[in-house]
Amino acid sequence: GENVGLHLPTLSVQEGDNSIINCAYSNSASDYFIWYKQESGKGPQFIIDIRSNMDKRQGQRVTVLLNKTVKHLSLQIAATQPGDSAVYFCAENLGASGYGGSQGNLIFGKGTKLSVKP
Amino acid sequence: NAGVTQTPKFRILKIGQSMTLQCTQDMNHNYMYWYRQDPGMGLKLIYYSVGAGITDKGEVPNGYNVSRSTTEDFPLRLELAAPSQTSVYFCASSHGQGAITYNSPLHFGNGTRLTVT
Repeated sequence: GENVGLHLPTLSVQEGDNSIINCAYSNSASDYFIWYKQESGKGPQFIIDIRSNMDKRQGQRVTVLLNKTVKHLSLQIAATQPGDSAVYFCAENLGASGYGGSQGNLIFGKGTKLSVKP
Repeated sequence: NAGVTQTPKFRILKIGQSMTLQCTQDMNHNYMYWYRQDPGMGLKLIYYSVGAGITDKGEVPNGYNVSRSTTEDFPLRLELAAPSQTSVYFCASSHGQGAITYNSPLHFGNGTRLTVT
């Protein structure tokens, strides 16, 4: 889940399997969601995004699903590879309801560590 | 393009010292941000800028200052370092209206790991 303090939840999968990483977001007014991948010692890297008027969006080997009813976001990675091992976290945009106006209103989750076993 | 470049990669400061974390981007992005990332926590926004000469506070601005004299550069200044500022600092930039524009996500640098003792 999102509130685990110092210890990130970990998902361990076998190479070639599909991975599903979940995220619960906090604000029903959020209108834009992003998934990031962060490898050790590096900055977050954009994977895929989705707007609130959609419930599914597909990229290369990745699919994001959005369930606004329960405020849930998931990232599906097909045919997981060792290079997919990283921390994945979601971000929601609070839009006009956030601080400081419309800019910089992303709220980041704490992340899930994906470990891929060869 | 090099993207977003941060220097230094690592730094150890004593309490009360000051330093500037450098950030530059070569993508001609108007929007730039500074985040801090504490272990097991999500990124927290410190300051952001929507263009040269304009800066605004984020969620956790206390103890920091920024300036944006050019489109490319967005340095973060710590005047009196405190142990609570031990963290990994990420600079980011984006093209469109920051994070709220579809297909205009943040591009991050590789971070500066700062320890204050």
